[in-house]
Amino acid sequence: DAGVTQSPTHLIKTRGQQVTLRCSPKSGHDTVSWYQQALGQGPQFIFQYYEEEERQRGNFPDRFSGHQFPNYSSELNVNALLLGDSALYLCASSLSPGIYEQYFGPGTRLTVT
Amino acid sequence: RKEVEQDPGPFNVPEGATVAFNCTYSNSASQSFFWYRQDCRKEPKLLMSVYSSGNEDGRFTAQLNRASQYISLLIRDSKLSDSATYLCAALWGSGSARQLTFGSGTQLTVLP
Repeated sequence: DAGVTQSPTHLIKTRGQQVTLRCSPKSGHDTVSWYQQALGQGPQFIFQYYEEEERQRGNFPDRFSGHQFPNYSSELNVNALLLGDSALYLCASSLSPGIYEQYFGPGTRLTVT
Repeated sequence: RKEVEQDPGPFNVPEGATVAFNCTYSNSASQSFFWYRQDCRKEPKLLMSVYSSGNEDGRFTAQLNRASQYISLLIRDSKLSDSATYLCAALWGSGSARQLTFGSGTQLTVLP
């Protein structure tokens, strides 16, 4: 039973560039949430996707956008990267929006220089 | 004030000790709570869910006090392998629009 997978594992980008991160949910899960975790902090909720729509959004600017595909996989896009966007980006999946035990992928570590 | 607050620690305890962490939350509408453990540079892993007054799983016990708006995690007979950061999370929202908010984590080191 495959768990949550994310790609790439690590990424280095320059300020002003754009990045796309990918996530495949755990088998049987249809809801995907994205989090940003800065060093020494807990994960911060970015947004959640269910039925290919953004259902809930945290306090992140419009530079952060996402997408969910019919196979439930998801992408996180960040435009106009800032140094402060350097963080571990975590994807989590759950059986449905109403069942909130979330299972995290290994994350993508983004460094913006 | 942060929505979910935890004592950052670090907590350094000897093997076999009992240790307790507290987590306070500000949104009284929070419905459910979760404890995750996170090893260094790894993803958070779900440890326990707390939907009513508490939950117990082996050496781990979580308790919820809605009146005082805090959740606790008790670890008995601590093992070296329990060394990790423990994250508390609170859920609120409704329907398909729910949000999980995490604290900053409490660092635990179990010493031989």
